[in-house]
Amino acid sequence: KNEVEQSPQNLTAQEGEFITINCSYSVGISALHWLQQHPGGGIVSLFMLSSGKKKHGRLIATINIQEKHSSLHITASHPRDSAVYICAVRSVSSNTGKLIFGQGTTLQVKP
Amino acid sequence: GAVVSQHPSRVICKSGTSVKIECRSLDFQATTMFWYRQFPKQSLMLMATSNEGSKATYEQGVEKDKFLINHASLTLSTLTVTSAHPEDSSFYICSAIQGAPNEQFFGPGTRLTVL
Repeated sequence: KNEVEQSPQNLTAQEGEFITINCSYSVGISALHWLQQHPGGGIVSLFMLSSGKKKHGRLIATINIQEKHSSLHITASHPRDSAVYICAVRSVSSNTGKLIFGQGTTLQVKP
Repeated sequence: GAVVSQHPSRVICKSGTSVKIECRSLDFQATTMFWYRQFPKQSLMLMATSNEGSKATYEQGVEKDKFLINHASLTLSTLTVTSAHPEDSSFYICSAIQGAPNEQFFGPGTRLTVL
């Protein structure tokens, strides 16, 4: 079993829909990242969380440390949100900042 | 957020040649940089951790003599793929950590194609 699991692996939505991507992890962490990667493109860091909730535009990220779970929400989804969303955690035992990555969730938003 | 650049963004080379990829933190000093490799439809695979002024720490299975890493300054790390072969063709991504709160920022990636 992977240390970081994302669900769903693939997601298709209609424009305007509310989207949730989930991330569960099995290690103690000091931080969790949500990353976005467009096809053929580089990676953008959306959020870094260690507790609670963060919001940026239409994106909301939450984390529950006790349950070892995080969610990324996209409100009023748009075709330009189509991308791979990656959850990555930094283990408390890592003194280098090394991240453990989930397998990613491929999101397609149709107009 | 902070900006990390990579150069070149795309490179095509002949088998047997060496290719150097640069990773720069543009507006912050990065004591630690990471080099990743990504195959199509797969997640990032950490190759090595690069610390300024010291030798890089390579992940298991990554050949140190093939993938040379030099972290010459707090804003620059380079990855040199030596004697490249077609199986080295991949997307190479670097990231850099910016001080506290140790947020990690990623470069745009370099697509290497070895003919």
